[in-house]
This record gives sequence, C-alpha cells and structure tokens, in this order.
Amino acid sequence: AAGVIQSPRHLIKEKRETATLKCYPIPRHDTVYWYQQGPGQDPQFLISFYEKMQSDKGSIPDRFSAQQFSDYHSELNMSSLELGDSALYFCASSSGANVLTFGAGSRLTVL
Amino acid sequence: DQQVKQNSPSLSVQEGRISILNCDYTNSMFDYFLWYKKYPAEGPTFLISISSIKDKNEDGRFTVFLNKSAKHLSLHIVPSQPGDSAVYFCAASAGGGADGLTFGKGTHLIIQP
Repeated sequence: AAGVIQSPRHLIKEKRETATLKCYPIPRHDTVYWYQQGPGQDPQFLISFYEKMQSDKGSIPDRFSAQQFSDYHSELNMSSLELGDSALYFCASSSGANVLTFGAGSRLTVL
Repeated sequence: DQQVKQNSPSLSVQEGRISILNCDYTNSMFDYFLWYKKYPAEGPTFLISISSIKDKNEDGRFTVFLNKSAKHLSLHIVPSQPGDSAVYFCAASAGGGADGLTFGKGTHLIIQP
C-alpha cells in the first residue's frame, strides 16, 4: 500500500538559507500535518491542511510557511534558517479520522 | 507545559515478559489517545488507539488501558518480542477533526533476549 512520501530525506543548509520540504500524502487522504522533532524531543505539531485550506496552526515560526496544492501534496518552506531549525520534519496524512499515517521524515541539518 | 507526559525515557524488559508503558495527560479536553511506535530512521507508525468512552482496547499482543479519572493510560505488550524494541510515543487529541496530535517525549523500549 502507498505510504506518505517525503522528500528530500536529508538536507543540509547553511544559516540564513532557505529550504523546502515536500510531502505526498496517501491517496484519498484529505488532511496533511507537519511535525518538527528536535534532537531528544517529542514531535511538535506545526501546521495542518484540510482540503487544501489551512486547518490548524501549532508552533510554526513566522519564518516558515506551508501550503497544500491541488494534487494534495504539501510543501513546507523554511526561510532565514537558524541552527535551531535542525530537526526531523515529519509529514502525516489522514482521511478525517484521528489516526495519522506518518512519512519517514526529512532530516534538516543547518550548519 | 507538557500536556502529555511519558516519565520513563527508557524501559528494559526480558523477552516473553510483559512490557508496560505509561502515559499521563493534563488536558481534560483530550478524548482520543493513540500509541505510535518508531524505529530509527523511520516515521512513527500507528499501533493502537482508544476513545475516551472506553477504558480498554485490545489488538493481539497490545492492550491499551485508559483511566480517565487519573488522566492516565498505559500500553501493555504481552508477550514482549525482540521486534518490539523501539521508541513508543503516546499521543492525544481533543475533539477529533483536523487538529494535530500532542505527543509525549517517548519511551525507548528495549527487549532483552
């Protein structure tokens, strides 16, 4: 069965650069979520989209933005990167139920 | 303020014995609870869930117990197998819908042969 696909799996950027992460949800899933997991931390909810509209916002910095496109894939754009942005970024999708299916994550390292 | 707490960062259990992972929460609005399992270099994988209208849910070797008055839930794995070695996250949501889940910090379960 198709899972949640995230790309790239690994990304290295320097401070003040910009990064874009992509997420392809499970087909027919209508909700996409973004989570950030720092080293030794629990996953923190950033933002979610339902039917291409932003549905909820968590602890997402103003330097970050996200959107969901007509094909339901989502992109997380991060600008003016800081060292503290180094983390594992998970995307998850669901079909309206509470159970989220997660992707394998994108590891961002900011040097 | 950590709304979902897993106070044991790690737990070591002998193969064949019962593993009990605990989770406490503070937000009384939470009405749906999930356990996720995570292997290194992989995303969290859904394991089992429980609605606040129940106090127990069982799926094979996995059973989740919910004590609403104590705001406590636990995951029992019996018998424990080597493949169960992973980080287990407790997660909660309030009101369902498109809200994100609130996760605990995880418990690293190590199954010893």
